[in-house]
Amino acid sequence: SQTIHQWPATLVQPVGSPLSLECTVEGTSNPNLYWYRQAAGRGLQLLFYSVGIGQISSEVPQNLSASRPQDRQFILSSKKLLLSDSGFYLCAWSWGTSSYEQYFGPGTRLTVT
Amino acid sequence: DQQVKQNSPSLSVQEGRISILNCDYTNSMFDYFLWYKKYPAEGPTFLISISSIKDKNEDGRFTVFLNKSAKHLSLHIVPSQPGDSAVYFCAASGGNGQNFVFGPGTRLSVLP
Repeated sequence: SQTIHQWPATLVQPVGSPLSLECTVEGTSNPNLYWYRQAAGRGLQLLFYSVGIGQISSEVPQNLSASRPQDRQFILSSKKLLLSDSGFYLCAWSWGTSSYEQYFGPGTRLTVT
Repeated sequence: DQQVKQNSPSLSVQEGRISILNCDYTNSMFDYFLWYKKYPAEGPTFLISISSIKDKNEDGRFTVFLNKSAKHLSLHIVPSQPGDSAVYFCAASGGNGQNFVFGPGTRLSVLP
């Protein structure tokens, strides 16, 4: 069976500090990978998605970036966090192009102080 | 401009009764819709989906109805159970299956 891991579960970082959130998927190969953010009182906002190693599509311009160094690894980064980066970050995966359902990880609660 | 709207931020229903969660969209290019359920501090879990070629899809206690002309879909839960208490997100995609747009969610509380 497939599982998706995210860490850390919670993170408190000062403004201006760097960020690195990691997501890994087990039990499948060549998944589509996604990073979402849920801000307080808002829905899920798609930040990045990737259909393969080194292939990243950005949906929202911001000070975040994503990388996919390995097939089942997706990393969300920032060089300098802003207060507005606080939120609940979710990684998700889906099968190729034949299935639209996405499967989400447990999420990371990021608080920028 | 929100392309997917869930105008009820919260809904309370008595156990055993029907829960109806609504979702409206503005983009006529959307052709695939999903509902997710989310518990606090957890990632959303997929619940049920519907393609634009259908107007109804049923899975156990959950039924999704799609009215394309009104750009409206709804999720019916019958009978509602206390374990159904969660935030429900509606999501829509325009065909590539990659770019899903999520609504803001509706918090359902099922009262025993």
